[in-house]
Amino acid sequence: GAVVSQHPSRVICKSGTSVKIECRSLDFQATTMFWYRQFPKKSLMLMATSNEGSKATYEQGVEKDKFLINHASLTLSTLTVTSAHPEDSSFYICSARDVRGAGGEQFFGPGTRLTVL
Amino acid sequence: KNQVEQSPQSLIILEGKNCTLQCNYTVSPFSNLRWYKQDTGRGPVSLTIMTFSENTKSNGRYTATLDADTKQSSLHITASQLSDSASYICVVSAAGTALIFGKGTTLSVSS
Repeated sequence: GAVVSQHPSRVICKSGTSVKIECRSLDFQATTMFWYRQFPKKSLMLMATSNEGSKATYEQGVEKDKFLINHASLTLSTLTVTSAHPEDSSFYICSARDVRGAGGEQFFGPGTRLTVL
Repeated sequence: KNQVEQSPQSLIILEGKNCTLQCNYTVSPFSNLRWYKQDTGRGPVSLTIMTFSENTKSNGRYTATLDADTKQSSLHITASQLSDSASYICVVSAAGTALIFGKGTTLSVSS
């Protein structure tokens, strides 16, 4: 199956710093990538939809100036958490849609654990 | 309102036993239904994906069923293994909209 990678897998940072998370589709092209966050024992919550070459679409309640998304190529999307605070600590997961698959199958990355001290 | 509800919330079974997880949804217009397995601290991995016309689909020891009339799906795990311990998430895709996630069922398989 298609592979999606994320880097880093976990990051610990100080409050006030910015953190960049990369999401790559390794063996397919993804015109659309999605960013989710997941709190412990909770379901995935969609944060934003990222389309290659255009601005991301953010879900209601998600601050676009805090969570900067760049989808510069068909295989790479980045999420930057700016001026991170402890409440931003969470598990961030990206997914990429393989347009070749039936129904536009989404493949998920392994996730990035962000801890803000 | 588009919703996906899963039951039970958690389940503990002995290794080698079978189990069935349930998913009810109120999503329209329905596109497809997926079951994912999510290990702790990892991203979801697809087990099955079914469209409206499919009633059952298997992936090894995992068998998913879909009743589009009653809007119910089940995931049956046969001869459970310790490595089956994970969260199982039912996800429904509505045509033209984002995926709608259930809260998942946490399965613990003990020896």
